This record gives sequence, structure tokens and C-alpha cells, in this order.
Amino acid sequence: KQEVTQIPAALSVPEGENLVLNCSFTDSAIYNLQWFRQDPGKGLTSLLLIQSSQREQTSGRLNASLDKSSGRSTLYIAASQPGDSATYLCAVKEYRGGSEKLVFGKGTKLTVNP
Amino acid sequence: SQTIHQWPATLVQPVGSPLSLECTVEGTSNPNLYWYRQAAGRGLQLLFYSVGIGQISSEVPQNLSASRPQDRQFILSSKKLLLSDSGFYLCAWRKQGVRETQYFGPGTRLLVL
Repeated sequence: KQEVTQIPAALSVPEGENLVLNCSFTDSAIYNLQWFRQDPGKGLTSLLLIQSSQREQTSGRLNASLDKSSGRSTLYIAASQPGDSATYLCAVKEYRGGSEKLVFGKGTKLTVNP
Repeated sequence: SQTIHQWPATLVQPVGSPLSLECTVEGTSNPNLYWYRQAAGRGLQLLFYSVGIGQISSEVPQNLSASRPQDRQFILSSKKLLLSDSGFYLCAWRKQGVRETQYFGPGTRLLVL
């Protein structure tokens, strides 16, 4: 059974700092890995999607890497801003027996202090 | 552009009452549709998904059911709510194609008292 773990559970940093969020998964047979952002009481917004054949994706100040063989992904946020404060969720997509499934971690709650 | 709607945004219901949450998608056709629940201290859990009208797959045994009466409408229901049904319910859609990303709705906060 696939399990996704995110470390740390919470992180508080001063504005301007570069930071790394970690995600690990137990079964490397994934189709892709996705990072989402969730603001309090809101839905999820997709940030980056990395296909299983890719090693990284970049969007603005965000960079996500994927090491499928070791079951790890990192989300790097450069020059953090207070507006980056949110919960960041990692999810892997599996496809087994004709059905697909996104398996989520519990998230990292990020607070960027001005 | 595509948009996804959920309603109501917030719901407070007594134990034993029925439930109906609605999700609709605009701007696309034949989407895959999903219902997730996010409970306090837990990750998102997939409840149901649908690849077409009338086609529902359940991921976990539970007190809830889902229906897809129209191509872009997905409904989550219960005949009798339990306290444990409280949580944040998210609907999502994606285009056909296993490599496509899922897009999430704004969610419904359900509190069962």
C-alpha cells in the first residue's frame, strides 16, 4: 500500500529565506507526482506536476525534483514571501488494476513571517 | 476556460439526517470526476471517482454514496449522517488521459453534530 510522508509537518521562516519541503513515498511504481497548495478553508491549487520520466519541474520561484528510485521529491521555494504561507501537499498518482488514484501526504504547513 | 463549483460551501447537519453535496464542472466534456474527504489531522482520502455518466467506483467502504446523473455533475449523498462524516469535502476533475492533472473545487465544510 502506497504511503506518502511529508516532512516537516510545519515550518516557520522569515521572509526572503530559501526553503525546501520534503516528500517521500514507499512504492516507486508511480505515474507522476504533484505538488499542491492549499490555503485555509480552500480547495487545492496545482503548483507543479512531474511525470515519472522527468526529474524536475520549475515554475517561477518554485522548483520540484523527483527521484523515483529512492521515493523522494523536494519542493524548493526561493526568496519566500508572506503570500507563500499555506499548506503544501504532495501527491503521487498510481494506476493499478484499471483504476487510478492520487495518494496524498498530510502536508507541510508553511508560515512566512514578514 | 474550465471551472468547478461546489455547494453548499458550509453545512451543519444533525446526526441521522440526509446529505447531498453537489459538484458541477463547466467548460469541458466527459471529465473524470472525483470526491475526496479531508479530515482533521489526516490527508486527503479518495472516496469515489467516475469516468462517465452512471459509472461510479468506490475506494473505501463507508456511509456515503455518489452518483453522476449528468456528464458534468457529481453528487455525494448519505441517507443518515454519522459524526465521523464531518470533514472538508473536495470535488475534483481532470481531462481524459492518465497523465493529466486534477483540478479541485473550493470544497464543502461539513459539520455533523
